[in-house]
Amino acid sequence: GENVEQHPSTLSVQEGDSAVIKCTYSDSASNYFPWYKQELGKGPQLIIDIRSNVGEKKDQRIAVTLNKTAKHFSLHITETQPEDSAVYFCAASGIEKGGSEKLVFGKGMKLTVNP
Amino acid sequence: NAGVTQTPKFRILKIGQSMTLQCTQDMNHNYMYWYRQDPGMGLKLIYYSVGAGITDKGEVPNGYNVSRSTTEDFPLRLELAAPSQTSVYFCASSRPSADTQYFGPGTRLTVL
Repeated sequence: GENVEQHPSTLSVQEGDSAVIKCTYSDSASNYFPWYKQELGKGPQLIIDIRSNVGEKKDQRIAVTLNKTAKHFSLHITETQPEDSAVYFCAASGIEKGGSEKLVFGKGMKLTVNP
Repeated sequence: NAGVTQTPKFRILKIGQSMTLQCTQDMNHNYMYWYRQDPGMGLKLIYYSVGAGITDKGEVPNGYNVSRSTTEDFPLRLELAAPSQTSVYFCASSRPSADTQYFGPGTRLTVL
């Protein structure tokens, strides 16, 4: 099955700096790569996603890039703000043994933005 | 739309007790999921359902049971609670399986 590795596990930046989170995946058949933000005490919320037919996608200060050849994808946050402080999860769609398709999540990265 | 709702928010159980975690979604999604999140770890899939009457095991199903009698509801049953089941439990729903998943606020369970 699919395996998703995420790094770093923690990142601390100064307000206004950029932050990059990287993920690798194992299943070359995966075709959907969402990113979730989890604030303290809340459930994860989708912030951006990308499908395999696109190499890059941007939404204001957030961008995601996908390299299918190398099987890795990254989240870029520019001009970070204190409210960006949270845990970020990457995920990749994977085909299970029975043929069903499910998301497999990375272990998450805790981002701290210092004012 | 309320989205995905979960009850209770918090619960403390004694070893050997049972309980049901409730999950309801009002988005008419066919797919529903139960995850557990241990401290400092990612989300591990417990069970999932592709529609009413159909459920299947995820990565960590032992000690849990589910049912799906309606599109809206997907309760998770813990039988004979153990300390290893101390975790935060999230329910989620989506349309096609590899589409955006919408998460509930979670249930924090402690087994003592």
